[in-house]
Amino acid sequence: DADVTQTPRNRITKTGKRIMLECSQTKGHDRMYWYRQDPGLGLRLIYYSFDVKDINKGEISDGYSVSRQAQAKFSLSLESAIPNQTALYFCATSDHGTGEETQYFGPGTRLLVL
Amino acid sequence: AQKITQTQPGMFVQEKEAVTLDCTYDTSDPSYGLFWYKQPSSGEMIFLIYQGSYDQQNATEGRYSLNFQKARKSANLVISASQLGDSAMYFCAMREVNTGFQKLVFGTGTRLLVSP
Repeated sequence: DADVTQTPRNRITKTGKRIMLECSQTKGHDRMYWYRQDPGLGLRLIYYSFDVKDINKGEISDGYSVSRQAQAKFSLSLESAIPNQTALYFCATSDHGTGEETQYFGPGTRLLVL
Repeated sequence: AQKITQTQPGMFVQEKEAVTLDCTYDTSDPSYGLFWYKQPSSGEMIFLIYQGSYDQQNATEGRYSLNFQKARKSANLVISASQLGDSAMYFCAMREVNTGFQKLVFGTGTRLLVSP
């Protein structure tokens, strides 16, 4: 079974709708992240969380919110989706206890906002 | 300024040959980590290899090795004995420990195509 899972894997929604993307991990990592990937731009950080009580904005947080429901769960919400939020969204996790803090990614959610 | 630069939008290699994917980085933080990820057409991001700024030796993981030249600020990925399954996008990324420890900064990627 995958260590980092994301649901849904694909989603089509309409402008103005609220949607939630969910991420779960079984790696036991304390840190979790949400990124989006746009063609030609690599990945950009939306939000990150170092533990359940710690939530921080990344470089492109406008229009998004997050919730860390448990150490293993981190969800991303688009309160009112707009077409330029069409992208591939990744959840990632890392373990603060390791020196390198490699981030491990989920399979991604493809979101299309019409 | 770009923190991570991957100058090769696309690379071609024949099966069983070696290929080098270039990555240069820019940081004033003395402590940082460099990562390579593979993204096949299915979309997932797969961690390949890590190099710490204080590591004395180049990192290796199976057929992957990282040619780390600190003075030149380069961290090229070398794939030996290419396989058809190596066809994918490859991303170089950096994490600055002191100034940006919370995030990875990614390059724009290199698309590798391995031909039979």
